[in-house]
Amino acid sequence: EDKVVQSPLSLVVHEGDTVTLNCSYEVTNFRSLLWYKQEKKAPTFLFMLTSSGIEKKSGRLSSILDKKELFSILNITATQTGDSAVYLCAVANFGNEKLTFGTGTRLTIIP
Amino acid sequence: DVKVTQSSRYLVKRTGEKVFLECVQDMDHENMFWYRQDPGLGLRLIYFSYDVKMKEKGDIPEGYSVSREKKERFSLILESASTNQTSMYLCASRRRGLAGYEQYFGPGTRLTVT
Repeated sequence: EDKVVQSPLSLVVHEGDTVTLNCSYEVTNFRSLLWYKQEKKAPTFLFMLTSSGIEKKSGRLSSILDKKELFSILNITATQTGDSAVYLCAVANFGNEKLTFGTGTRLTIIP
Repeated sequence: DVKVTQSSRYLVKRTGEKVFLECVQDMDHENMFWYRQDPGLGLRLIYFSYDVKMKEKGDIPEGYSVSREKKERFSLILESASTNQTSMYLCASRRRGLAGYEQYFGPGTRLTVT
């Protein structure tokens, strides 16, 4: 059974700080890892990672995958209050059409 | 832009009632999914469908059924609602064969069963 573990479960930091969110996984026949941001409603897509060591970047957010150690990190630099959200990690395998999600990390940015 | 809509944002039902949650997508996606989201448990897959009239059980199908009569619409049915089905329900869709790619989510329905 595929498994995704995110840490920490919650994090509170001050505006301007840099944060690192972690996602470790166990999945047979790994296909990709995805990061989503969820504010008050629907999760919105951030990144899809398939290859080790290649950083994906979007503004102040970046993410990288390590397929040998089976984890990914999501970095947010110079955090803003608008970054407050639940960040979800999910993995896909080649065996089926499903995604397996972690429990999420709740990030709170204090002004 | 892909659009996934859900029939209600908030719903309050009584124990034992039959509940229908509707999801509609406008991108001709083959795959559609129903999840529930609970604090500390993340998103858990209830059912998914990979084509009209096709369905597969997810990780927690007990107490739920689904219907996919048209490609754009996927319904989740609670035959006899119970208080432990109080949750946030999220629908998602994706083109078939792109399991590693993003799913598009609806805004969610927060269901309270009293």
